[in-house]
Amino acid sequence: AQSVTQLDSHVSVSEGTPVLLRCNYSSSYSPSLFWYVQHPNKGLQLLLKYTSAATLVKGINGFEAEFKKSETSFHLTKPSAHMSDAAEYFCVVSDETSYDKVIFGPGTSLSVIP
Amino acid sequence: NAGVTQTPKFQVLKTGQSMTLQCAQDMNHEYMSWYRQDPGMGLRLIHYSVGAGITDQGEVPNGYNVSRSTTEDFPLRLLSAAPSQTSVYFCASSFRRPEKLFFGSGTQLSVL
Repeated sequence: AQSVTQLDSHVSVSEGTPVLLRCNYSSSYSPSLFWYVQHPNKGLQLLLKYTSAATLVKGINGFEAEFKKSETSFHLTKPSAHMSDAAEYFCVVSDETSYDKVIFGPGTSLSVIP
Repeated sequence: NAGVTQTPKFQVLKTGQSMTLQCAQDMNHEYMSWYRQDPGMGLRLIHYSVGAGITDQGEVPNGYNVSRSTTEDFPLRLLSAAPSQTSVYFCASSFRRPEKLFFGSGTQLSVL
């Protein structure tokens, strides 16, 4: 069955250091991939999306992600963490059985230490 | 624009009670959906709609009912609440397919 794996349930970084949130997916074709962010007690917001154009995707707030088909990965990075980046991050993949569904990963909680 | 509006923000029910979670969007989006969020499980799709009069089941539809009589509104009905339905519920919409979802602020539901 199609799935999304977020390899770390929790990541902690110091302010000003790089952020890496890892995501692997399983799919029999090249899917659309997304990262969403959820700040505490808020709804989710789209950070960036990959839809078969450039493999390096830039998003909001300085985040970017690289699609690597050979590794079935779509890791999220940011060069320098800010306190406001502390949130839950979800990797999402389009459902290969339907254009009308997406599948969410379990989420990675990012903490930023001052 | 208000975006996606969900009501209520909090609700406590007793087992067996029924209720409706409201969702409305003012962006003229064709696609609307309901998710539940449980710790460590991400968001799971309950029901979705690709336009007025069209609904379909997601991953976890049992115990929930939806209808889409207008483009703007997509209510979620709990028919007979169970403790397993304790969760945070999110409504989301997008222009057509779920490629850029706009989320409401969520409803925290507890079933005792």
